[in-house]
Amino acid sequence: DTEVTQTPKHLVMGMTNKKSLKCEQHMGHRAMYWYKQKAKKPPELMFVYSYEKLSINESVPSRFSPECPNSSLLNLHLHALQPEDSALYLCASSAGGGTEAFFGQGTRLTVV
Amino acid sequence: QKEVEQNSGPLSVPEGAIASLNCTYSDRGSQSFFWYRQYSGKSPELIMFIYSNGDKEDGRFTAQLNKASQYVSLLIRDSQPSDSATYLCAVNPPGGYNKLIFGAGTRLAVHP
Repeated sequence: DTEVTQTPKHLVMGMTNKKSLKCEQHMGHRAMYWYKQKAKKPPELMFVYSYEKLSINESVPSRFSPECPNSSLLNLHLHALQPEDSALYLCASSAGGGTEAFFGQGTRLTVV
Repeated sequence: QKEVEQNSGPLSVPEGAIASLNCTYSDRGSQSFFWYRQYSGKSPELIMFIYSNGDKEDGRFTAQLNKASQYVSLLIRDSQPSDSATYLCAVNPPGGYNKLIFGAGTRLAVHP
């Protein structure tokens, strides 16, 4: 099973709202990722967690706040977003060590 | 110079032909290389990974790696209209970090 599950699939939020994206995997993977993808662009790395610790933050604005409650779960807390933050947000996981990563189906976020 | 470069296409091939997709990378120490397929509006799906120089075959797909030339390719034999998608090349850079750097993707169109 190479499934990574993301919820919700679609989210519309106002600029003053607070919302969270959720990601879950049960492959025993120890690395989890958040990527952002705009239309017709490749995925852009936001955060990497290794062994439940934040190991990479690609200079992401503080209105995006990641959290890794345990080895199977990854959250992305959203607050005071801008319309330009509208995108497909992708979660992925891997066993680490440069091995292959598997993506969830993504959350399509629209900020109004 | 971009870290991972791909021709954006579109690459148009007739059904049944071989599609050849190419990717170059800038960091000579990179160790892991991946090909993802992404249909419009969907998340990336891993189709091949390769770590060693040479060829790796899986069904209709062959990945080729030449570290001396910093070049990765993907061959799709007997191309089908269902192969029409964007193909993303991804590289794990050196440094022990669990991160994937994506190329811009090549759009493949297989016509009947």
